[in-house]
Amino acid sequence: DAEITQSPRHKITETGRQVTLACHQTWNHNNMFWYRQDLGHGLRLIHYSYGVQDTNKGEVSDGYSVSRSNTEDLPLTLESAASSQTSVYFCASSGDRAWGTGELFFGEGSRLTVL
Amino acid sequence: GENVEQHPSTLSVQEGDSAVIKCTYSDSASNYFPWYKQELGKGPQLIIDIRSNVGEKKDQRIAVTLNKTAKHFSLHITETQPEDSAVYFCAASKRGAQKLVFGQGTRLTINP
Repeated sequence: DAEITQSPRHKITETGRQVTLACHQTWNHNNMFWYRQDLGHGLRLIHYSYGVQDTNKGEVSDGYSVSRSNTEDLPLTLESAASSQTSVYFCASSGDRAWGTGELFFGEGSRLTVL
Repeated sequence: GENVEQHPSTLSVQEGDSAVIKCTYSDSASNYFPWYKQELGKGPQLIIDIRSNVGEKKDQRIAVTLNKTAKHFSLHITETQPEDSAVYFCAASKRGAQKLVFGQGTRLTINP
């Protein structure tokens, strides 16, 4: 079955370190997204991509970067981790490029703690 | 940009009763309004959605209503069951946009 997987599921790191969270989907979806989930803020969009070599900033992109070298993967990198980036991170994908949006399929999340 | 407000943040109802979660949005150009359910330790999953050319949509025990004039939409769950306990998110997006703006979430607890 097609799926979307995130790794690692849990990570503890120190302030200032570089961290990369992996996201891999097997649906061949064009669209991929990274959200962070924090209590009281819901899900906030960090970066998104509509296809290979395409990346766009979301509402909370400062301190994060992504790259899209193939259809299946959208890794999220924290260049220099900060305590404010402690959060649960969700990757999602969708295949619908018609009007409106298609269903988002979410991974199971990566819990990141920055000490 | 779009802003979505969701209320209440927590909701507790007795099993068998109904639950209602409400959202308002700011951008009158938004035309797609999905609801996602997140169970503990999982990613959110789409449970129902509505487009702006429709006022109400039902799927078994869940329904969504949309009032475009007032810019608000609601999720209604009837005959609640323990498995309905979860966090629910509303969201909104514009025509042609592929990114959703989510509300803050509602933690629904069904008491036996």
